[in-house]
Amino acid sequence: GAVVSQHPSRVICKSGTSVKIECRSLDFQATTMFWYRQFPKQSLMLMATSNEGSKATYEQGVEKDKFLINHASLTLSTLTVTSAHPEDSSFYICSARTGGLSYNEQFFGPGTRLTVL
Amino acid sequence: GEDVEQSLFLSVREGDSSVINCTYTDSSSTYLYWYKQEPGAGLQLLTYIFSNMDMKQDQRLTVLLNKKDKHLSLRIADTQTGDSAIYFCAEIYNRDDKIIFGKGTRLHILP
Repeated sequence: GAVVSQHPSRVICKSGTSVKIECRSLDFQATTMFWYRQFPKQSLMLMATSNEGSKATYEQGVEKDKFLINHASLTLSTLTVTSAHPEDSSFYICSARTGGLSYNEQFFGPGTRLTVL
Repeated sequence: GEDVEQSLFLSVREGDSSVINCTYTDSSSTYLYWYKQEPGAGLQLLTYIFSNMDMKQDQRLTVLLNKKDKHLSLRIADTQTGDSAIYFCAEIYNRDDKIIFGKGTRLHILP
């Protein structure tokens, strides 16, 4: 089946530093990738949608200059949290869609736990 | 706006059936989904149902869809300890092809 990986799985950083999270589709080409943020005991909040080779579309209230998304290839998207602050601590999950499935399935990565000290 | 509602917690004895309910608002949704999230992990698609169907069965899972009431349910027969997880109801919001998730129902299995 379709597998999506994320790296790193867990990261701890100091306030003010930048952190890059990678999302890879391992055995399929992802025409679209999504980045979500999940707070404890909360649902997934869509942050942005990225299509390969074009600028990401950010959801209302998500700062594009703070959460930089690059979808450089059909198998890789990166999310960079710039100048991270403790309130950016969260569980970040990416998903990828191939577009070939009739039911629009998104395949989810295992998530990245970010802790900003 | 779009919204998906589900109860936050369900406790079921091992071997019994679990029924997780969900309501949604977008009547034009094409697909509705049930995802499972185990602790510290991403989401796994359990099953989905197309909007022109009333029911879908897949081994221990039964999905019922009531379009009139915009109500979706997931029944897990013979609930096992491995079913302990958070279950998310989701719909695809056709206006912009985004998936909208509910807050998730935490299923707790009693021995």
